[in-house]
Amino acid sequence: DTGVSQNPRHKITKRGQNVTFRCDPISEHNRLYWYRQTLGQGPEFLTYFQNEAQLEKSRLLSDRFSAERPKGSFSTLEIQRTEQGDSAMYLCASSFLLAGGWSSYNEQFFGPGTRLTVL
Amino acid sequence: AQSVTQPDIHITVSEGASLELRCNYSYGATPYLFWYVQSPGQGLQLLLKYFSGDTLVQGIKGFEAEFKRSQSSFNLRKPSVHWSDAAEYFCAVGINSGGGADGLTFGKGTHLIIQP
Repeated sequence: DTGVSQNPRHKITKRGQNVTFRCDPISEHNRLYWYRQTLGQGPEFLTYFQNEAQLEKSRLLSDRFSAERPKGSFSTLEIQRTEQGDSAMYLCASSFLLAGGWSSYNEQFFGPGTRLTVL
Repeated sequence: AQSVTQPDIHITVSEGASLELRCNYSYGATPYLFWYVQSPGQGLQLLLKYFSGDTLVQGIKGFEAEFKRSQSSFNLRKPSVHWSDAAEYFCAVGINSGGGADGLTFGKGTHLIIQP
């Protein structure tokens, strides 16, 4: 399968614990995005990387959240001291961006998501 | 900041009937517009996108959408729905900040129910 993969698919944790999610993008894609989706809402942008550089962070990304993409391939999203409000589906997407801006190659391909439940 | 409004939370359509899902956006310039579909347990799948040019765009699965600048709308249409079209549909807007695409802003979605 050459799509975006995310692990784990489901995570149940207790309030106050730390959790880490992994995203493996499509192999040749240089951009990687993280979104959060709560019940009944559309996805909300959290952050994105171009190669290993984190270029933008939403104000939704509190200090308890940290994302990395150390080698420009897979990415991890860590949530420290989880709260019940962190319960959501965390989506990862990747794209290939040609220099110069938007192109048909900049379609974002989404993974199946990691569903987090904080008890 | 840009925003997207999908005024219909739920829509019920009979199988074989036509469909139109509404999307309005707010942005100071011409945005880049997308429609995604999300089925239970599946990732978001791109149906179609508008960057520039012809305001009527064709997508996959028989869907089309029309960009109307005067109405700030990008409504999704399908002439005849199938039971397999039952899903959640999201309209999204993206902007080009000059260095390429940033994150997308999504609407809250429209849940499509197909009646037999």
